[in-house]
Order: sequence, then structure tokens, then C-alpha cells
Amino acid sequence: QVQLVESGGGVVQPGRSLTLSCAASGFAFRSYGMHWVRQTPGKGLEWVAVLSYDATKSSYADSVKGRFTISRDNSKNALYLHMNTLRPDDTAVYYCVKGSSTSFDSWGQGTLVTVSS
Amino acid sequence: EIVVTQSPLSLPVTPGEPASISCRSARSLLHPNGHNYLDWYLQKPGQSPQLLISLASNRASGVPGRFSGSGSGTDFTLEISRVEAEDVGIYYCMAALQTPYTFGQGTKLEIK
Repeated sequence: QVQLVESGGGVVQPGRSLTLSCAASGFAFRSYGMHWVRQTPGKGLEWVAVLSYDATKSSYADSVKGRFTISRDNSKNALYLHMNTLRPDDTAVYYCVKGSSTSFDSWGQGTLVTVSS
Repeated sequence: EIVVTQSPLSLPVTPGEPASISCRSARSLLHPNGHNYLDWYLQKPGQSPQLLISLASNRASGVPGRFSGSGSGTDFTLEISRVEAEDVGIYYCMAALQTPYTFGQGTKLEIK
């Protein structure tokens, strides 16, 4: 079955960087677009970024554009989110999500990122 | 960005009774291919969200038949024919026509 396991979350100071990882298994990772979605108590669910199956196309939410970079390593079945210049409002649970052609059909358990001094 | 608005935000339901959640989009989610790009997700307590319905009316694998989705354009509905205790959680609709994908505020279903 599909498994998505996020890691790399933690407490980080404002302005610093952090990289999240997602280990994928149970499906042909190299054939699917992958997303990051985050969730905060105050703002609910927010789509963050998507990367195509072959890493040639990406798209970002305006709130993270220019600060976050999504990447993948198909040889390792891994997805990444490189987060720079973190702000307190980036505090959230970050989910790694497998995309189908029309929806988000599998979600990881999430990793908590807390941006605080 | 396509804004989607759900109602109600809180939904107390007696087991065995039906339930309905509305999702309205600020712009049409109808693609030229004829499909409406509107998904429904359920986040059960302590869990990650899970896909219930894609393309407005297609139940995801393993989703019970009591769940159904309908609607087109800007108005969509998720219906549960007979609510069970395991259906508690927060239901989200999501506009999937274009990036940025956007979620509704969520509807919290609880058992009376």
C-alpha cells in the first residue's frame, strides 16, 4: 500500500532554513506528481507546492513563492521541501501528498514545523 | 486564486440520519473536458485528511456507498445518506481546477 513518511520538522528561529523530506513507497513514485500541503489551526488546509513526476514543472502558493523550493529524487523515492527565510506564519503541520490526475489520493502523517524565537 | 466557501461550519447529526454539506466556488470548476474539478476530503480526529470524492461525484476506492457528491459549475454538495459514528471529523472541499489549489474552511461533523 502507499506509504508517505515525512521527516525533518522541528523548532526553528525566524529567518532560518529547514528542509523537509518525504520517503515514498508502495507505488511507482517516478510516475506521479507530488505535493506539499500544510495545516494550521487558524488557516486550515493550505496547498503549498507541486512538482511534476519528472521534476520539470513546479508551482507554488504565493505565500511561499521565492522562499520554498520543492524537489525530488526519483532514484531514492524521495520528495523534499527546502524552506528558507522562515516566518512565524509558516508554523504548521506539513503533509507530503501523492497526486493523481485530479486529486490528492494519499497523504502522509505530517511533520510539525514551529517557527519561533 | 479560486475561493471556495463551505456551509455549515458545524453539523451535529443523529446517527442514522442524513447529512449534507455545501461547497460554493467563486468561479466555475467545470473544465472544457466536461469534468468538475472539485474534491471532498475527510479528516478524522487525529488523522491526516483522506480523499472521499474526486471530480465532484467519483467516490474514492474504499469509500462507503453512503457518501455521494453532486453539483456542477460553482455549487456542490456532499451527502451522507445515513450518518454513522465513524463519520465524525472535518470535511473539506477543494478546488482542483488550477493552482493554487484551494480548500474550504472545513465542516465539523459531530454526533448528537
